[in-house]
Amino acid sequence: GENVEQHPSTLSVQEGDSAVIKCTYSDSASNYFPWYKQELGKRPQLIIDIRSNVGEKKDQRIAVTLNKTAKHFSLHITETQPEDSAVYFCAACGTGNQFYFGTGTSLTVIP
Amino acid sequence: DVKVTQSSRYLVKRTGEKVFLECVQDMDHENMFWYRQDPGLGLRLIYFSYDVKMKEKGDIPEGYSVSREKKERFSLILESASTNQTSMYLCASSLSRWGYEQYFGPGTRLTVT
Repeated sequence: GENVEQHPSTLSVQEGDSAVIKCTYSDSASNYFPWYKQELGKRPQLIIDIRSNVGEKKDQRIAVTLNKTAKHFSLHITETQPEDSAVYFCAACGTGNQFYFGTGTSLTVIP
Repeated sequence: DVKVTQSSRYLVKRTGEKVFLECVQDMDHENMFWYRQDPGLGLRLIYFSYDVKMKEKGDIPEGYSVSREKKERFSLILESASTNQTSMYLCASSLSRWGYEQYFGPGTRLTVT
């Protein structure tokens, strides 16, 4: 099956700086790559996703890049704010809509 | 707005008890999923279902079973609860099979003593 690795496990940045989280996957058949944000005590929620026919997608301060050849994708958050503090999960999905999640990155934005 | 609800936020059970966790979604989604979430391990899939009465094993099905008698409801059953099943359990649903957003419930924190 698919294997998704996520790094780093923890990340601290100063408010206003950028944060980057990286994931690698093993199954070349995976074609959908969502990112979820989970605030403390809350449910995971989708923040951005990308499909395999696209190399980059941006939504305001959040962007995701995908390199299918190297089998890795990254989440970029610019101009970080304290409310960006949360755990972020990447996932890879192939046929059948089974998500394989990374182990999560705990992001802390220091005011 | 999609709504996924779970029957309990917190549950405490004794070793050996049979435990039922219920999940209901109100958006006519075909797919439903049960995950457990443990620190440092992320979200691990226990079981999922593509349709009523259909079920598929995920990555960690041992010690669990599921039931989907109606499209909107997906139940997770711990046949004989053990302490290593103490965890956060998250239910999710999605529209279709081919790469759609999964919507999560609020989670059930289960403690087995």
